[in-house]
Amino acid sequence: DAMVIQNPRYQVTQFGKPVTLSCSQTLNHNVMYWYQQKSSQAPKLLFHYYDKDFNNEADTPDNFQSRRPNTSFCFLDIRSPGLGDAAMYLCATSGDRNVQPQHFGDGTRLSIL
Amino acid sequence: AQSVTQLDSQVPVFEEAPVELRCNYSSSVSVYLFWYVQYPNQGLQLLLKYLSGSTLVESINGFEAEFNKSQTSFHLRKPSVHISDTAEYFCAVSEVGGSNYKLTFGKGTLLTVNP
Repeated sequence: DAMVIQNPRYQVTQFGKPVTLSCSQTLNHNVMYWYQQKSSQAPKLLFHYYDKDFNNEADTPDNFQSRRPNTSFCFLDIRSPGLGDAAMYLCATSGDRNVQPQHFGDGTRLSIL
Repeated sequence: AQSVTQLDSQVPVFEEAPVELRCNYSSSVSVYLFWYVQYPNQGLQLLLKYLSGSTLVESINGFEAEFNKSQTSFHLRKPSVHISDTAEYFCAVSEVGGSNYKLTFGKGTLLTVNP
């Protein structure tokens, strides 16, 4: 019954090797978000899509990019992961910008070797 | 811009004891308020929300929170906790109207329930 699905749950990559995390949703929500959460910290918003309209947070590093090919799927691409990018990455959706709350997936824990 | 302060980073309690997790916010406009719970290695789950109406909101598992506008607080309470309530709890706000797509989170409170 999972409504926001993130794959894989655990991802290991090498320093500098590009990696892609995926998120899919069955809620038909038009807003999708990507957050980065480091240990014992609050989630930090990286960017979000309102339909196909991409919105980047001002402090999101250029190393992070996203794609949303259709309503159901959204991808997070990390072009050249550094050790500081090791974190939990959370995907969330909401039905409308002005209607909360957000529904979260279980996250992908990214490790960098 | 808004901000959220969770006053306690860790709260240890014994099973069946009452608990209060404190949350204060700052905003120049009206806000929606949320509590999310995060179990280890999982995403965030909505626990309860205040959008409008009654200032006391309740969840299905016995938690409640009260919106206090004058004190800009939204404290979370439970009269009797269980071991299974052990988790990280995040308070969050978003602005009413405008570009309120953004949730501002507090730093979280780790609730540990001991037998």
